[in-house]
Amino acid sequence: GEDVEQSLFLSVREGDSSVINCTYTDSSSTYLYWYKQEPGAGLQLLTYIFSNMDMKQDQRLTVLLNKKDKHLSLRIADTQTGDSAIYFCAESPGDYKLSFGAGTTVTVRA
Amino acid sequence: EPEVTQTPSHQVTQMGQEVILRCVPISNHLYFYWYRQILGQKVEFLVSFYNNEISEKSEIFDDQFSVERPDGSNFTLKIRSTKLEDSAMYFCASSSQSDTQYFGPGTRLTVL
Repeated sequence: GEDVEQSLFLSVREGDSSVINCTYTDSSSTYLYWYKQEPGAGLQLLTYIFSNMDMKQDQRLTVLLNKKDKHLSLRIADTQTGDSAIYFCAESPGDYKLSFGAGTTVTVRA
Repeated sequence: EPEVTQTPSHQVTQMGQEVILRCVPISNHLYFYWYRQILGQKVEFLVSFYNNEISEKSEIFDDQFSVERPDGSNFTLKIRSTKLEDSAMYFCASSSQSDTQYFGPGTRLTVL
């Protein structure tokens, strides 16, 4: 079945690193994604990782993938107030759809 | 940077009325999608569309829902007879291949 799990809340101090964790179920997912949703806004694609990769770095973002444990994480270095948002992990259980987690609300405190 | 656009941003309707939500996908994209997010819940897949036909649909996408690409730029979602439980944020997305999907800002549908 398709069930993407994420912790619901994360509070982090400005300047620290944030780590958001996700577990997924579909081992056939070709890509795994992280989306960001700011209040009242749509889903912004942050980054994605191909399933045969272990790690992908993109500026302040680092994605780690453990296929054996079906575990995906997003690390945000030097977290800023503008990083406060809901972060969604998503898998692609088929060619034509994404299956999302419930989202992790990240709050950055000064 | 090209982006997906959606209109209207907010639609209020009476129960039983028909609504059409509109989307303009990114111009060279070939795959189109609708998702919805009920307040406080997960983003849920509704339907995908490619080559002028539905590729996949979820259990939510019943006979009350339909999609159409009436011209070369628009992609619409019609709900024939709205119910209270259809109140949600509806997101359109598009992709060039069947992979990385880019989302619009959403239409908030309120059914009274």
